Amino acid sequence: NAGVTQTPKFQVLKTGQSMTLQCAQDMNHNSMYWYRQDPGMGLRLIYYSASEGTTDKGEVPNGYNVSRLNKREFSLRLESAAPSQTSVYFCASREDRASAGELFFGEGSRLTVL
Amino acid sequence: SQQGEEDPQALSIQEGENATMNCSYKTSINNLQWYRQNSGRGLVHLILIRSNEREKHSGRLRVTLDTSKKSSSLLITASRAADTASYFCATDSGSARQLTFGSGTQLTVLP
Repeated sequence: NAGVTQTPKFQVLKTGQSMTLQCAQDMNHNSMYWYRQDPGMGLRLIYYSASEGTTDKGEVPNGYNVSRLNKREFSLRLESAAPSQTSVYFCASREDRASAGELFFGEGSRLTVL
Repeated sequence: SQQGEEDPQALSIQEGENATMNCSYKTSINNLQWYRQNSGRGLVHLILIRSNEREKHSGRLRVTLDTSKKSSSLLITASRAADTASYFCATDSGSARQLTFGSGTQLTVLP
């Protein structure tokens, strides 16, 4: 019973490098989300996907792109990493019932950009 | 911008005491949720309260919601050292199926 799986768990990048964070869920959820967590700021939504084939910007989308590959997988790409993107990234999913439902989170991907 | 703001930012209590955390928000909501995060881990859902509910219980957790004051509180009774974690409120305003999180309360329960 894996739930939401994120890879990698840790990554160190140099400024300007690119990378993709992978996320997969096995709960047949329609909605998937990417958040970043910074000290003292809680979680901020980067992008979300309400259903397969759709993606929308959240609060802090600049510098990121996403792909909803299929119903299970939602990836987050940093095209040219910057030190300001040093953060912990969380993927989450949710059963798409209108105005209800808890989020299920992965364990996080800790990214450092030097 | 964050919808929910928790208070206090940090709370330290002795094992066996009750812990109360508060959350204030700005706009109307469909429901409010509380999550827990152990150090270095992902968030785990604790409880959801809908906008037409005033109080909800789950084990040692009690959540209240006052929509007129746009506030909620989470009470953990008879706390244990294992309750040490960060607690976040999250509001669901129904728009685009997003949850907006506050900055959290760091609870430390001393044995």
